Amino acid sequence: DAGVIQSPRHEVTEMGQEVTLRCKPISGHNSLFWYRQTMMRGLELLIYFNNNVPIDDSGMPEDRFSAKMPNASFSTLKIQPSEPRDSAVYFCASSSDNYNEQFFGPGTRLTVL
Amino acid sequence: QKEVEQNSGPLSVPEGAIASLNCTYSDRVSQSFFWYRQYSGKSPELIMSIYSNGDKEDGRFTAQLNKASQYVSLLIRDSQPSDSATYLCAVNSGGGGNKLTFGTGTQLKVEL
Repeated sequence: DAGVIQSPRHEVTEMGQEVTLRCKPISGHNSLFWYRQTMMRGLELLIYFNNNVPIDDSGMPEDRFSAKMPNASFSTLKIQPSEPRDSAVYFCASSSDNYNEQFFGPGTRLTVL
Repeated sequence: QKEVEQNSGPLSVPEGAIASLNCTYSDRVSQSFFWYRQYSGKSPELIMSIYSNGDKEDGRFTAQLNKASQYVSLLIRDSQPSDSATYLCAVNSGGGGNKLTFGTGTQLKVEL
């Protein structure tokens, strides 16, 4: 079975540009999580969805960040406009309601110049 | 505020020794506990989950949970250089939902 799929794997953009990160969760999983990881702050939960509905977005740093999950197999995290301090690795993870085990995708390394 | 605390390390152990990684958590109603391994430049990989007090063994890995002391640990027997990584402790505090709170991780170095 395919694991969590993320794209792109690397993104380099200039300050002020819009960035869209994509995630496909594991088939059958109904919870999806977006994390950000930096050396300074570690792994931070940005937002999570259950059955395509946003449940907790308290970790979204500011209005420049938005996330959507239009269906059970796809989610996006958008940053508009991007800033250099957004540079980090962004992970998507998914889990099922039966277990709390989360499985991570390979991540997107974002660099904002 | 719900917290999960780990010693950042690095924890250095010789090859073949037992590595002991520790984690404490603040929320008494926590129900599920997980250990993730993260190699440099890679994503976190789930290696152990534990839900009840006591020990759970899987190959060279043993997870230990003590809810009364709010303490969870991971033992790695016969440590190998390939075990060198950062180990993240994660806790689900129940109350509905699958949200996990992660510790900052302990860096393990297994030396030849």
